[in-house]
Amino acid sequence: QSVLTQPPSASGTPGQRVTISCSGSSSNIGSSYVYWYQQLPGTAPKLLIYMDDQRPSGVPDRFSASKSGTSASLAISGLRSEDEADYYCAAWDDSLSGVFGGGTKLTVL
Amino acid sequence: QVQLVESGGGVVQPGRSLRLSCAASGFTFSNYPIHWVRQAPGKGLEWVAVISSDGTNKYYADSVKGRFTVSRDKSKNTAYLQMNSLSGEDTALYYCARDDRWLPDYWGQGTLVTVSS
Repeated sequence: QSVLTQPPSASGTPGQRVTISCSGSSSNIGSSYVYWYQQLPGTAPKLLIYMDDQRPSGVPDRFSASKSGTSASLAISGLRSEDEADYYCAAWDDSLSGVFGGGTKLTVL
Repeated sequence: QVQLVESGGGVVQPGRSLRLSCAASGFTFSNYPIHWVRQAPGKGLEWVAVISSDGTNKYYADSVKGRFTVSRDKSKNTAYLQMNSLSGEDTALYYCARDDRWLPDYWGQGTLVTVSS
């Protein structure tokens, strides 16, 4: 059971916009930044979003994120087949530990 | 470019120990904390531990506290994860990652640890 809650799966057709939610508590999302990672099949996770809504250089602006209170969300617009991957949210918890969501498997139909 | 390379994984019997290494390059190692994150086969990411840039502060997940120890050697640009009293629940791909504001940014490719008799 992960500390942060994500839907196990999401899907969309090419060109669509999909969102992935991440729910936490006042001790993690509510008091620290949220990060998002993309993990393509068979590869290491890659940072997608940092500090709630910032994109590292090289990440397309099709990827965006937001946070409100103890929840966060990742949005992918103009969905492409190469976006098919697992997506994880993460935050630092007041208990002095990192916490991850259980991951969302995105399928491009 | 930032590079992190894990090593030291393998098959180990329950109750035994193993030490993983994380060799860093492409950035000033002594300026950054280093995280360890693991992923059991077919499962999600689990944060394991972090060591501060100067090695004085170390934080652990409850699941490994008292069994795992993180350390670092600035002369070798390398971080370590000492794992003791291993059990099947520790079987996973172990990643090291550079820190960005208390969460990972750049990740290594991982090293596989299998605990089995």
